[in-house]
Amino acid sequence: GAVVSQHPSRVICKSGTSVKIECRSLDFQATTMFWYRQFPKQSLMLMATSNEGSKATYEQGVEKDKFLINHASLTLSTLTVTSAHPEDSSFYICSATGPNEKLFFGSGTQLSVL
Amino acid sequence: LAKTTQPISMDSYEGQEVNITCSHNNIATNDYITWYQQFPSQGPRFIIQGYKTKVTNEVASLFIPADRKSSTLSLPRVSLSDTAVYYCLVGEHSNDYKLSFGAGTTVTVRA
Repeated sequence: GAVVSQHPSRVICKSGTSVKIECRSLDFQATTMFWYRQFPKQSLMLMATSNEGSKATYEQGVEKDKFLINHASLTLSTLTVTSAHPEDSSFYICSATGPNEKLFFGSGTQLSVL
Repeated sequence: LAKTTQPISMDSYEGQEVNITCSHNNIATNDYITWYQQFPSQGPRFIIQGYKTKVTNEVASLFIPADRKSSTLSLPRVSLSDTAVYYCLVGEHSNDYKLSFGAGTTVTVRA
């Protein structure tokens, strides 16, 4: 089946630093990828839709200057959390539209900001 | 987008069958019903998808009545490793799913 690889799986950083998370579709091309955030015991919350070759579409309430998304190729989208603060600590998940219009998800990235 | 309603949680024991019903009264003609499973600290994993009647794969069965206003995910003979959150999503295309992750159903399987 289609595989979406997300890296790193866990990152700990100091407040004020930036963190980049990568999302790759390994065996298919993904023109659209999605980025979610999930807090403990809560559901996935969509942050933005990433389209290859164009600007990402952010959901209401998500700061585009803080969460930079780049989708430079058909197999790679990146999310950069700029100037991270403790309140940005969360589980970040990406997904991509794969074969048969199904959504395939990455394994997630646990971000802890100290 | 069709709104979905699922039970918040369900408890079961090993070896039992678990049935999770999802209500989607406003499902559109072209909408599919898809179920995902999520373990703690992992991304959701596709389980099964259907449009009408019954779909079965090696993991689960999906029962969809004729009016399609609800669907039931059936997990046969669950084990401890089936403890997870199960999400019911409804939409025509994968782009529809982005907004329809509800609270999901937390299934806890006990020995």
